[in-house]
This record gives sequence, C-alpha cells and structure tokens, in this order.
Amino acid sequence: GESVGLHLPTLSVQEGDNSIINCAYSNSASDYFIWYKQESGKGPQFIIDIRSNMDKRQGQRVTVLLNKTVKHLSLQIAATQPGDSAVYFCAEIPQGDQFYFGTGTSLTVIP
Amino acid sequence: DGGITQSPKYLFRKEGQNVTLSCEQNLNHDAMYWYRQDPGQGLRLIYYSQIVNDFQKGDIAEGYSVSREKKESFPLTVTSAQKNPTAFYLCASSLRGRVGEKLFFGSGTQLSVL
Repeated sequence: GESVGLHLPTLSVQEGDNSIINCAYSNSASDYFIWYKQESGKGPQFIIDIRSNMDKRQGQRVTVLLNKTVKHLSLQIAATQPGDSAVYFCAEIPQGDQFYFGTGTSLTVIP
Repeated sequence: DGGITQSPKYLFRKEGQNVTLSCEQNLNHDAMYWYRQDPGQGLRLIYYSQIVNDFQKGDIAEGYSVSREKKESFPLTVTSAQKNPTAFYLCASSLRGRVGEKLFFGSGTQLSVL
C-alpha cells in the first residue's frame, strides 16, 4: 500500500504562535488530499482539503500548501489556540483508489 | 443533528467471543466504511459498502464481518478469528463513495480484550 508519513511525531507551540505540520506522500498520482484533526478518544474531524491542481488553499485560520515536486503537504494553523491541541493527520487519495492515512502529528499548545 | 453514531463507546471482549459494533448515520450517505486505528499507525480499512446489500473487503478484513441491510446502518462484527482485536474502531461515511469525496467519521469504539 501507499505510505503517508509525517516529519515530526510531536509538536509543541506557544499559544498565539503559528503552527506548521508537515506530511510527505509517496504516490505522485495522488490527486486529492485531506487534513483531519483528532482529539483524544474522538473520531477525526475534517479540517481542509486540496486537489492536485492547486498549490494552496485557505480556510478559517488554516492554510494547506501542496508541493507536488517534492510530494509534500503542510498544514499551517494561524494564532494557535489551546483548543487546537490534537493529533493531525493527512490523507492522500490516488486517482481511482481508496484513502491512505498518515500516522499523525500530536500538537500541544502551551498556554 | 445529522451525523454518524457509533456505539458502544467502550466494549470488552472475552476470549472466543464475537462482538458487534454499531454504526448508524442519518446523513443519507450511500457509502459507509470501517477503519481500525492502532497507536502509532494510520487508519486501516477493514470493510466498505457503497450500496445496500453489497460490501467489499478492505486491507485487513480477516477476522471481521459486516452487513448492510439498511442504508443508514453498517454494523461490524469482530469474530473470535481476529486474534488481536484491541484497537479503536472508526466508522465513516461519504455521499456516494466516489473518489475525492470527504469522509465523515463517527466518534469511535474502543475495543479491549479481557
């Protein structure tokens, strides 16, 4: 199967700072990517998605950047808040195939 | 509120016992999925169904069974053949089960072996 990996398993940031969570994907044919947030003991929640014909997409306080040249995806969270503490993972969907999920990065926001 | 409901939140299985995890959705989604989540690993697909009375095996179907008798329900049975069932189980759904659709997840069931 595909492998979707994250550069850092844990990330700690000060409240109010910006957070950047990275994800490397392996299949150059992947054409759809999603970031999910998962709080402890809960199911993943959709944050933002991006298709391969874009290199940037913005949501509320979040931005996803896609670099297809190096097969890299990042999630930027502006003005990180304590409620942002969670595990974040990316998912890639190769064309015509199922979702492949990364292992996740644990984000801790320090008040 | 529309969403996906999983029950129970915690479930304990004895040796040799079959247990069934419930998943119900009122989103009117055609496709439903079961994933297994282990610490330090990405979600792995167990079974999925794109239409009532039809379902397909995912990557780790051995030791599991499902049914899809109703559009809104997709129960997962963890059989005694599954030798390492302790994990967090997530049910998900998508509108039509087509590539590129978002997955919506339930809140999960933590299954442990006694």
